[in-house]
Amino acid sequence: QVTLKESGPVLVKPTETLTLTCTVSGFSLSNARMGVSWIRQPPGKALEWLAHIFSNDEKSYSTSLKSRLTISKDTSKSQVVLTMTNMDPVDTATYYCARTDYGDPGYFDYWGQGTLVTVSS
Amino acid sequence: QSVLTQPPSASGTPGQRVTISCSGSSSNIGSNTVNWYQQLPGTAPKLLIYSNNQRPSGVPDRFSGSKSGTSASLAISGLQSEDEADYYCAAWDDSLNGPNVVFGGGTKLTVL
Repeated sequence: QVTLKESGPVLVKPTETLTLTCTVSGFSLSNARMGVSWIRQPPGKALEWLAHIFSNDEKSYSTSLKSRLTISKDTSKSQVVLTMTNMDPVDTATYYCARTDYGDPGYFDYWGQGTLVTVSS
Repeated sequence: QSVLTQPPSASGTPGQRVTISCSGSSSNIGSNTVNWYQQLPGTAPKLLIYSNNQRPSGVPDRFSGSKSGTSASLAISGLQSEDEADYYCAAWDDSLNGPNVVFGGGTKLTVL
């Protein structure tokens, strides 16, 4: 059974750095075809892709947020970590991690439940 | 402003057929496959259609997808009350500005 679970702070202050962890089970981060993406959704708004990482450590980032994002993985812990610097209230959103496929990075077959992050002083 | 364009809303009565469009460009839909996601209120999105027209196991055949050129469509036949949800299209974008996954702005489907 494939599961993904996000964890991290529920509240961060403006200018702080957000660190989110996605812990996966039911598949390995060393699987050649599989990767993990981070996607966010501000309250009442659309989904926005942030970044992905694959088993060969290949990474891609949202063009608009690239300067603020870093994605990494710890295969032994089955974890993918996303950091976002210089947080702003507009970054308030539910952050999801999802399993993706190397052949189609827009394909997300399993999603975490999401974690709501609020940016406020 | 989303890269893929969807109508913000759609509606239909039980039993009807509704379609939701997704318009893109040559760098995304025009050269890559389209996936559709269903998001029920308060829940995470769920994969509904992949590779333009394929249904994951467990998705009813009332849901179908198609793609032509730089546009794609999701069709729901035999509309049911439980289909009331937000629907999103997504695709890989090979833009020269940098590759990205792009989503549509979402379509809120109301079952009247």
